[in-house]
Amino acid sequence: AQKITQTQPGMFVQEKEAVTLDCTYDTSDQSYGLFWYKQPSSGEMIFLIYQGSYDEQNATEGRYSLNFQKARKSANLVISASQLGDSAMYFCAMSLVMNTGFQKLVFGTGTRLLVSP
Amino acid sequence: EAQVTQNPRYLITVTGKKLTVTCSQNMNHEYMSWYRQDPGLGLRQIYYSMNVEVTDKGDVPEGYKVSRKEKRNFPLILESPSPNQTSLYFCASSLSFLRHQETQYFGPGTRLLVL
Repeated sequence: AQKITQTQPGMFVQEKEAVTLDCTYDTSDQSYGLFWYKQPSSGEMIFLIYQGSYDEQNATEGRYSLNFQKARKSANLVISASQLGDSAMYFCAMSLVMNTGFQKLVFGTGTRLLVSP
Repeated sequence: EAQVTQNPRYLITVTGKKLTVTCSQNMNHEYMSWYRQDPGLGLRQIYYSMNVEVTDKGDVPEGYKVSRKEKRNFPLILESPSPNQTSLYFCASSLSFLRHQETQYFGPGTRLLVL
């Protein structure tokens, strides 16, 4: 079964500290993508970072990096130097091309991050 | 500004009263999709569309209809809403649908309460 698991319902971090949000995935496909989205309290979904299954280097976007460990099927999001504005829900998602030839996104259940001053 | 818009943002309705949630994108994207978000379940796909007049069911299509008469618009229709359709709904679009690396861009969400 193709599935994303986020085992941390909530995480706390102090401002300026780094935090890791866990994500494990399950697929038998060799080609897939992994995304992280941020959902602030206002509700919108904001794309953060993408990692392809064949990418040899971990993806980075500013303070966000994706710790991709293919053998362990994990794609953890690392946020360095946390800011108060990082308080939000974070979703990990896996992108697959189905038998129909079309892309599909499978989402995890999310991790709520709270950054304290 | 490149964006996906949804209307209304908030909606309270009663069981059985037909409603439509509109979605529009200005990025000339081929692929559009509807999701619903429920606590503890993440986002689940309702319907998707590969192009004008081409739509297909996602994982939770029961109770919903869609249409794609124009490339930019993809409305979600609830013919007879029920309380179990109370949820947060997202429309999303991407340039293509054939590659796993296509980023889907989301609208602001529509919070629906069915009494």
